[in-house]
Order: sequence, then structure tokens, then C-alpha cells
Amino acid sequence: DAGVIQSPRHEVTEMGQEVTLRCKPISGHNSLFWYRQTMMRGLELLIYFNNNVPIDDSGMPEDRFSAKMPNASFSTLKIQPSEPRDSAVYFCASSLTGLGTEAFFGQGTRLTVV
Amino acid sequence: AQTVTQSQPEMSVQEAETVTLSCTYDTSENNYYLFWYKQPPSRQMILVIRQEAYKQQNATENRFSVNFQKAAKSFSLKISDSQLGDTAMYFCALGRTGANNLFFGTGTRLTVIP
Repeated sequence: DAGVIQSPRHEVTEMGQEVTLRCKPISGHNSLFWYRQTMMRGLELLIYFNNNVPIDDSGMPEDRFSAKMPNASFSTLKIQPSEPRDSAVYFCASSLTGLGTEAFFGQGTRLTVV
Repeated sequence: AQTVTQSQPEMSVQEAETVTLSCTYDTSENNYYLFWYKQPPSRQMILVIRQEAYKQQNATENRFSVNFQKAAKSFSLKISDSQLGDTAMYFCALGRTGANNLFFGTGTRLTVIP
């Protein structure tokens, strides 16, 4: 398996534009997570899905952020409209459901909003 | 609430020496897991080691071992015979019962000096 695949790896966009980040989890994994990493706040969980259903989205910063998982092999994180403070590295991770199972991370998308 | 604290933002160690990274946590759960993840400059998050809270025996993975003190809620990582490839950010993480999302500390940047 190729692991968790995220695209794009880098994204530069202008303030006010819509940004869509994409994730393909590892085949067979039924939990998917979106994290945001910044220098100031470290790694924060934004949302996670179990069997394609959003379980906890309390980490989503505001209504400008939305996430979907239309099927077991694809998820998106959308920011509309984007703002400079959204600049961060966004990670997607997947795992099998169950306490103690390893979360496998993608290589992240570095988003810069200018 | 779950919290994870890493009080050492940066550390350095001479190649071949031993270094210990600190982590403390707080949780009201009785059953949980603790993890150390490594993030090299490539940005990829890689699991280093995992510890089940109900196990008294400290986990070991080759040159990596932990000192798990449940009563003190302490979970330190010891790296023996440090290698240049160990240079990375190291994150301590807590996984709680009933959900397998992880709570991360702010990380320790480790530099191995040749």
C-alpha cells in the first residue's frame, strides 16, 4: 500500500479564495483524521470520521472550514474563504478503529494564504 | 479533558550518546494508550513506540524505550546510541478510550550532533 496520500503537497492561494485539500486513506482503514500543525498551536485535531461518518468536528475552527468523506477512499477539507491565519500544514491520517491502533499520516499539505 | 505537555522545546545530543525526552499528560480515563511520534524534516509523522496504560512493563523498540510512570502521569522517551537520522521533532501523544483520535504535545526538536 502506498500509505496515506495527500494532495497537493504545497498550496499558495490568495486571501478570499477557496482551497480544497484532498486525502486518500490506506485501504481498509475505517477512521480518518484531519490535523492542522502550526508553530503556535502544534498539532490540532480538526475533525475525524469513522466509517465515513463525522464523529467529532469540535476542532473545526469556524464555518469557513468544512470536511467531507463521500466514500471510504476519499476525503476533502475545504476552506472558503481562506484567510492568512489559515496558513499551516494540514495532515490527514487514517487508522483501524480501536484504542491503541497506530494512526498513519500523510505527508501533509503546506498551505500558504497571502 | 486530555492534555499532553512536553516541556523541552529543543534538545541536542552527541552522536552515539543517550538522550531522554520528557512528556507528562493528564486524563481522567483509566484505559488509554501513549505514543511517541517522530517528524523528520521530510514532515512525515512516523510512529516510534507505543505503550498501553494497563501494562506495567515499559515498551522497547530497538534503541528506543520508554519510562512510563502511571501514577505520576509521566511518559519519557529514551534514545540510546543516538544516530544522525534521529534528528527530528518528537511528539508525545495520548489516545483515549472510546475514540481513537490522538492528543499531541507541542513537540521537542532533537538535534543529533556528529
